[in-house]
Amino acid sequence: DARVTQTPRHKVTEMGQEVTMRCQPILGHNTVFWYRQTMMQGLELLAYFRNRAPLDDSGMPKDRFSAEMPDATLATLKIQPSEPRDSAVYFCASGRRSGTGYNEQFFGPGTRLTVL
Amino acid sequence: RKEVEQDPGPFNVPEGATVAFNCTYSNSASQSFFWYRQDCRKEPKLLMSVYSSGNEDGRFTAQLNRASQYISLLIRDSKLSDSATYLCVVNRDNYGQNFVFGPGTRLSVLP
Repeated sequence: DARVTQTPRHKVTEMGQEVTMRCQPILGHNTVFWYRQTMMQGLELLAYFRNRAPLDDSGMPKDRFSAEMPDATLATLKIQPSEPRDSAVYFCASGRRSGTGYNEQFFGPGTRLTVL
Repeated sequence: RKEVEQDPGPFNVPEGATVAFNCTYSNSASQSFFWYRQDCRKEPKLLMSVYSSGNEDGRFTAQLNRASQYISLLIRDSKLSDSATYLCVVNRDNYGQNFVFGPGTRLSVLP
């Protein structure tokens, strides 16, 4: 049963530290997404890639966040320096076109980040 | 006004009840629509796509009204295991997979 995997599952860090989150998309999916979920804002799209190329990162604070896909099996999201307001659950999702022509996204279990 | 809006609930219903959720979207160019389910402290999971003609999957029925820009989800004979948050999702760009998630509607099915 193919799944999106994310590491770490939980991260507690102090303000100012660098945080790196990793994602392994489902093999064969050509789109990868990073989302952030908080109680106040809900689920927000930060960035997405198609065929490893960044297509939209307008939802990401550029001064401290960066997203990359060094290869087809790894996507990374970095925060440097981290701030308490970055505390959230960060989800990675990978996508494909279904047999009915609709786009589907499959989510990883998320990284729960707490910045003290 | 948010691009996708839902009643946050919670909807508290007894087992066996029928419950309906609505969702409205503001971008008339939206291409495709979905319902996702999210359990507490878990990731969202695709429940069903929403087709223009409406579609059914077991106890779940989804409807789309493009003219009024709303989507609905009907759950019949609700089970305790249906308790979750239901997220309405709109894809602005069918090719680009630019998904916008609603805030979710929380459902609690009570014994």
